[in-house]
Amino acid sequence: QQQVKQSPQSLIVQKGGIPIINCAYENTAFDYFPWYQQFPGKGPALLIAIRPDVSEKKEGRFTISFNKSAKQFSLHIMDSQPGDSATYFCAAIGGGTSYGKLTFGQGTILTVHP
Amino acid sequence: ETGVTQSPTHLIKTRGQQVTLRCSSQSGHNTVSWYQQALGQGPQFIFQYYREEENGRGNFPPRFSGLQFPNYSSELNVNALELDDSALYLCASSSPPRTGELFFGEGSRLTVL
Repeated sequence: QQQVKQSPQSLIVQKGGIPIINCAYENTAFDYFPWYQQFPGKGPALLIAIRPDVSEKKEGRFTISFNKSAKQFSLHIMDSQPGDSATYFCAAIGGGTSYGKLTFGQGTILTVHP
Repeated sequence: ETGVTQSPTHLIKTRGQQVTLRCSSQSGHNTVSWYQQALGQGPQFIFQYYREEENGRGNFPPRFSGLQFPNYSSELNVNALELDDSALYLCASSSPPRTGELFFGEGSRLTVL
């Protein structure tokens, strides 16, 4: 019940395309859903996050869509650039007192061709 | 740069040995979490320290242990190393109230031969 399932495993788009990464969760106690971006040799960095009382959040070219009833959320990257090539992880946290206990998805390797 | 520093960046050990990894948290953050990231996988939560006490633990055996010091820096110790312990070990700092906004270091890459 603690799992977060992420798809696809890898994604290739052309510059300007709109890659979409999907995640699904089971634990209804989760109440905060961040996305992290990780470049090779670096630690994950927070990209954008959403709470389940909001259906959509946009920051720059990154948008999270959230469907509470389906227990699904997704990341859209508008006007993707080669510099967006990285591994993206969805995550979830909630239910309890472990502030730092994020449950991560398996990751999506995004490649944006020039 | 997040301000979270980890050492060493790379190390090689043999099976059965012990290892200590170190982490300095971002200024103002009193909570440190440790994650294990196997190749091609998402990070897995090991444990978290808040005000020098363990505050939450993932599904890892007792040979994974930790410490947090008064300056909020932290150590991860792994005893009796196994081949499957080969991974990137990530430290992340954060500050209450509860948030999923973690600031990760660049990790320590452990190889167990």
